Amino acid sequence: SQTIHQWPATLVQPVGSPLSLECTVEGTSNPNLYWYRQAAGRGLQLLFYSVGIGQISSEVPQNLSASRPQDRQFILSSKKLLLSDSGFYLCVYRGTPYNEQFFGPGTRLTVL
Amino acid sequence: AQKITQTQPGMFVQEKEAVTLDCTYDTSDQSYGLFWYKQPSSGEMIFLIYQGSYDEQNATEGRYSLNFQKARKSANLVISASQLGDSAMYFCAMREGGGSNYKLTFGKGTLLTVNP
Repeated sequence: SQTIHQWPATLVQPVGSPLSLECTVEGTSNPNLYWYRQAAGRGLQLLFYSVGIGQISSEVPQNLSASRPQDRQFILSSKKLLLSDSGFYLCVYRGTPYNEQFFGPGTRLTVL
Repeated sequence: AQKITQTQPGMFVQEKEAVTLDCTYDTSDQSYGLFWYKQPSSGEMIFLIYQGSYDEQNATEGRYSLNFQKARKSANLVISASQLGDSAMYFCAMREGGGSNYKLTFGKGTLLTVNP
């Protein structure tokens, strides 16, 4: 079965500092991977998705970037965090046969 | 325009009673899918149920059923015999496209509180 890991679980960072969130997937190859952000009191917003190594699609213009250096690794980054980057970040793997999305445990980011 | 609309920010239900969480969607695709997820206070997202646009019967999974009304573009979640552990945020989501164009759009959620 597939397993999704996210690191770190929680993070408190000052405004202007860099960010790197890591997501790794086990038990599958060439997965479609997604980064979502859930801001307080709001739904989930799709940030990036990747269908393979080096392939990144961005959904909304923002202060963040994503990279897919390995087949089962997906990284979310920022050079300078903003207060508005605070939220709950979820890495997601697209499953079969219903194309449902399996969520990682999430990273709770607080920017102060 | 919103693709997924959940009009109930919060709902209350008595333990052991049934509750319906509303979801309407907007798409021009012929092939799409509808999901419901549960998010407890711990933050994890738990897949509950799926309905494909071509499925003729309403999906059911244990105490969860999806009331799919295609003409009305609604996909309401029905939870029967509510339990205290059902208290959580519930998100409706829609899948559109396929392959590299696959997208999943979420509603803003409904916070369900089950009272003893």
